[in-house]
Amino acid sequence: KAGVTQTPRYLIKTRGQQVTLSCSPISGHRSVSWYQQTPGQGLQFLFEYFSETQRNKGNFPGRFSGRQFSNSRSEMNVSTLELGDSALYLCASSLAAGDRTQYFGPGTRLLVL
Amino acid sequence: AQSVTQLGSHVSVSEGALVLLRCNYSSSVPPYLFWYVQYPNQGLQLLLKYTTGATLVKGINGFEAEFKKSETSFHLTKPSAHMSDAAEYFCAVSDMNNAGNMLTFGGGTRLMVKP
Repeated sequence: KAGVTQTPRYLIKTRGQQVTLSCSPISGHRSVSWYQQTPGQGLQFLFEYFSETQRNKGNFPGRFSGRQFSNSRSEMNVSTLELGDSALYLCASSLAAGDRTQYFGPGTRLLVL
Repeated sequence: AQSVTQLGSHVSVSEGALVLLRCNYSSSVPPYLFWYVQYPNQGLQLLLKYTTGATLVKGINGFEAEFKKSETSFHLTKPSAHMSDAAEYFCAVSDMNNAGNMLTFGGGTRLMVKP
């Protein structure tokens, strides 16, 4: 079974631009979560989607948003990029509402110049 | 709010020596607990998890962890380190008071293995 895939793997943007990252979960998984990883702040939860609904949201500004499609694929968007948004963005999927085991993708490394 | 503390941001062991990575959590309700490993330029790989039942859990690559409720700990061990174990390790908890999937991670421990 294919794992979690994320596209693109690497991205370079400039301040003020916006970016969209994509995540395809493991087949059959309905929950998708997003995390930001930086050297200074570590791994921080962004949001979780289940059945196309945002179920949890972390402590990030409104510039960070996401959505989930009917096939469970998810996208996250960051508008008005700031230098501090440079990070590895990780997507994770899990099987169902009661299963809390999350499987992570390889991540998208975003560099904001 | 839950928190996870990993003692020691860097741990160095010799090849063949015992690996012990420490994790303590704070939670009013025993959470689900996880250990993940991250190799350079990669995502997180699940090593093992504790949900309910047996408190000693075995994972991949010879790692195991023991859930100790009285100590709110979930330390990761491996009897004999291998060079390929060099990576960063993350302990994480899932809040049982939250219906969704949201992991809170520790700060990570970078394991170095000396030949």
